[in-house]
Amino acid sequence: DQQVKQNSPSLSVQEGRISILNCDYTNSMFDYFLWYKKYPAEGPTFLISISSIKDKNEDGRFTVFLNKSAKHLSLHIVPSQPGDSAVYFCAALVGGGNKLTFGTGTQLKVEL
Amino acid sequence: NAGVMQNPRHLVRRRGQEARLRCSPMKGHSHVYWYRQLPEEGLKFMVYLQKENIIDESGMPKERFSAEFPKEGPSILRIQQVVRGDSAAYFCASSWQGTNTEAFFGQGTRLTVV
Repeated sequence: DQQVKQNSPSLSVQEGRISILNCDYTNSMFDYFLWYKKYPAEGPTFLISISSIKDKNEDGRFTVFLNKSAKHLSLHIVPSQPGDSAVYFCAALVGGGNKLTFGTGTQLKVEL
Repeated sequence: NAGVMQNPRHLVRRRGQEARLRCSPMKGHSHVYWYRQLPEEGLKFMVYLQKENIIDESGMPKERFSAEFPKEGPSILRIQQVVRGDSAAYFCASSWQGTNTEAFFGQGTRLTVV
């Protein structure tokens, strides 16, 4: 039972353009969402998060949008840079809990 | 301030052997989480420990797997009598507080069972 879904296994974007990574969830108890970036042979690195009381959170080139009614969130990266090429994981938490539920990841490739 | 340190980075075991994976949390962190990533999948929660205590082991297989986080020393994830299906990347994360919103991950241990 995949409670957090990332339906696009890969995404290719040109440098300078916007990258949009999507994530859907099924568990309505999730109230905190995070995005992680992962390079090969390394651990996930925290990027940005959002609480369910908000619908947008911005940090530099990264913005996360949350649509609770659709149980959907997205990560926007603008402008995209070659160094952004990595696997991006969406993750969710229930009520300040301790157990992250991850999606399967989207491989982003930013091309010159 | 060193990050979360996991060792070994790569571990090869024959079927039936034991695997021991170590995780040293960041300085000042007393909460440790273990996750497993099978090929082509996302990370799956295994266990959450706070010094000397297992808080949540709901993601741990019932048999052959155990975890500890002693008062002194690293956290250990132990897999007895490994099988090919145990081949995966095992990640450890640590946090200062008991929520995963500020957890930092190690580089992982890639276990290969031959």
